Amino acid sequence: NAGVTQTPKFQVLKTGQSMTLQCAQDMNHEYMSWYRQDPGMGLRLIHYSVGAGITDQGEVPNGYNVSRSTTEDFPLRLLSAAPSQTSVYFCASTNRGPGFYEQYFGPGTRLTVT
Amino acid sequence: RKEVEQDPGPFNVPEGATVAFNCTYSNSASQSFFWYRQDCRKEPKLLMSVYSSGNEDGRFTAQLNRASQYISLLIRDSKLSDSATYLCVVNSKGFSGGYNKLIFGAGTRLAVHP
Repeated sequence: NAGVTQTPKFQVLKTGQSMTLQCAQDMNHEYMSWYRQDPGMGLRLIHYSVGAGITDQGEVPNGYNVSRSTTEDFPLRLLSAAPSQTSVYFCASTNRGPGFYEQYFGPGTRLTVT
Repeated sequence: RKEVEQDPGPFNVPEGATVAFNCTYSNSASQSFFWYRQDCRKEPKLLMSVYSSGNEDGRFTAQLNRASQYISLLIRDSKLSDSATYLCVVNSKGFSGGYNKLIFGAGTRLAVHP
């Protein structure tokens, strides 16, 4: 049971390049989400999914796309990278039920856009 | 004003000390509350949920004051291994599809020294 995995761990992009951050979970959770973490700020929600085929925008969705073709995978695509997207990106998988709500985070992807 | 506010610290304490962190939230409709721990350059991990009656887990005690809209975390008998950033997290009204919106504070850094 690997939990939540993310690749790559580190990435450097030039302005205007595109790329996909990969996220996978093996816990059969319906809910998955992407956050970014910047210095001095809390994690901010980019996009989320409540199940395969269903995605929606979070607080800071501009410049990012997601898709959810399977329960396990939830990739995040940067369409045209900008320096403002330099950040640490965390994918999370959520186990929820009556009276509990537990989020499990992947190890993160550190992205630098030059 | 941020939705969840925390003192950024750092709190520098000796081993064995008792330390308390406070967190305030602005949305009175918030439904549930958590403390996460984040080690340097690692992902956040759930430390404990915070219940209305207060709850304890070993050396850690969490309290919730809904009237004043604040949450606290008390760590007794601090260990070197407690050094980390502690994130206050509030679960507010959901996005579509039943997804719950987690709002993260920026975190309070704790450094425990010998």
